[in-house]
Amino acid sequence: AQKITQTQPGMFVQEKEAVTLDCTYDTSDPSYGLFWYKQPSSGEMIFLIYQGSYDQQNATEGRYSLNFQKARKSANLVISASQLGDSAMYFCAMREWESMTTDSWGKLQFGAGTQVVVTP
Amino acid sequence: DGGITQSPKYLFRKEGQNVTLSCEQNLNHDAMYWYRQDPGQGLRLIYYSQIVNDFQKGDIAEGYSVSREKKESFPLTVTSAQKNPTAFYLCASSISGQLSYEQYFGPGTRLTVT
Repeated sequence: AQKITQTQPGMFVQEKEAVTLDCTYDTSDPSYGLFWYKQPSSGEMIFLIYQGSYDQQNATEGRYSLNFQKARKSANLVISASQLGDSAMYFCAMREWESMTTDSWGKLQFGAGTQVVVTP
Repeated sequence: DGGITQSPKYLFRKEGQNVTLSCEQNLNHDAMYWYRQDPGQGLRLIYYSQIVNDFQKGDIAEGYSVSREKKESFPLTVTSAQKNPTAFYLCASSISGQLSYEQYFGPGTRLTVT
C-alpha cells in the first residue's frame, strides 16, 4: 500500500509567490519522521526539511516551512518567495520508528513527487 | 569535502551485459542504499546495507546484486536478468539509529541499455 501520497504531479508558480506542495502519509506507528527533498534537473537529491511526529512546532528552514497537521496525516511543504532556482521535483518521504527496530533499518519511503516550475 | 561519489554519470551498455555502478562515501556513515528512479517517478529501493558484509533486499531487488566489503563502498551490479535496466540510479548513505537522520545522496548514474 502506498504510504506517501503526493497528489500534485506538477504545478507552475510565479517568481516571488509562495507555493504549497501537498503530502499525505499513512502509518499506524506513533513515532515517525517526515522529510522533504528537492531534485533539480541535475538529478541529485537535496535534503530540505525534517519534521518529527512528536515535534510541537512546525519545522522551518529558511524559505521552507512544513505545515504539519498530524490528525489529518498531512505534511505540506511551503516555499515562500519562490525563485527561479526552485524549479525542481520535490519529494516527500517518511521513516517509521518500527522500521528501525526491524531489518528494514529505518528505510525511507518516498512519494511520487511534484514537479514545480517557477516562471518569471 | 565529505560526500558521496557515483561514477560514471552516464553509462551505456548492450543488452545481455552485466554492469557495475560505483558508489563511494567518505561521510563515515554505516548505512548505504541504492535506489532506482524511472522518468517522472519516485525512488524505489533496490538494496540497502547497515554494516560491512551485510545487506538486505529492498522492494525491487530482482536482477540486481550488491556487495559491501568496505564501509565506504557499496557497488551495484545490474545483471542481464534485470528485464528493464535503463533508469537513473541513486546511491545514498546515512547515520543509522535516529529517526531524524536524513539520507545523503550521490549525483546519480544514468544507465542506458540498448
